[in-house]
Amino acid sequence: NAGVTQTPKFQVLKTGQSMTLQCAQDMNHNSMYWYRQDPGMGLRLIYYSASEGTTDKGEVPNGYNVSRLNKREFSLRLESAAPSQTSVYFCASIAASGGGYTFGSGTRLTVV
Amino acid sequence: EDQVTQSPEALRLQEGESSSLNCSYTVSGLRGLFWYRQDPGKGPEFLFTLYSAGEEKEKERLKATLTKKESFLHITAPKPEDSATYLCAVFSGGYNKLIFGAGTRLAVHP
Repeated sequence: NAGVTQTPKFQVLKTGQSMTLQCAQDMNHNSMYWYRQDPGMGLRLIYYSASEGTTDKGEVPNGYNVSRLNKREFSLRLESAAPSQTSVYFCASIAASGGGYTFGSGTRLTVV
Repeated sequence: EDQVTQSPEALRLQEGESSSLNCSYTVSGLRGLFWYRQDPGKGPEFLFTLYSAGEEKEKERLKATLTKKESFLHITAPKPEDSATYLCAVFSGGYNKLIFGAGTRLAVHP
């Protein structure tokens, strides 16, 4: 089925470890986004990529880096994980013509 | 600063008991207001987009309306399967960036 695929679904890291969250979409969408969701705070934008080859910071970029590998793939990297990065991470994409985001199923990350 | 506020935080209904969820927004030039449904452990699922005051959209038991300052999601005769968190969002700035409210957790009991 067409959509946004995120891997892994669950991950536990120790403080200071690094990891990359993967996201791929097969809808030929231009723009892709990474959000984190925390209880009571809603979804907050970490980074986005308006088009292939471009990336920009969102509301909460500190501690993260991103790579737009090609039109399909947009990865999020935590270089040195901290307990404050314990959250659920969602990737989303949108067509150039607008409409709504399509979200992935999320990655639940725990940093201990 | 653009902002989205949803109320109530949580709502408990009996099956068949109609109600409304509120989304108040402050944004420089509304370019779209979105409603999403989110089930536990899943990503948000798109429901509606509203673009201008007075616009209404319906899907099964759900009806979304829009004024210049807020949007309502009306739920008519809800069923237990309508239980979910409902999220409201608006475009903020360029590049189709969305800002979200914290959501309303809806529980419908038989």
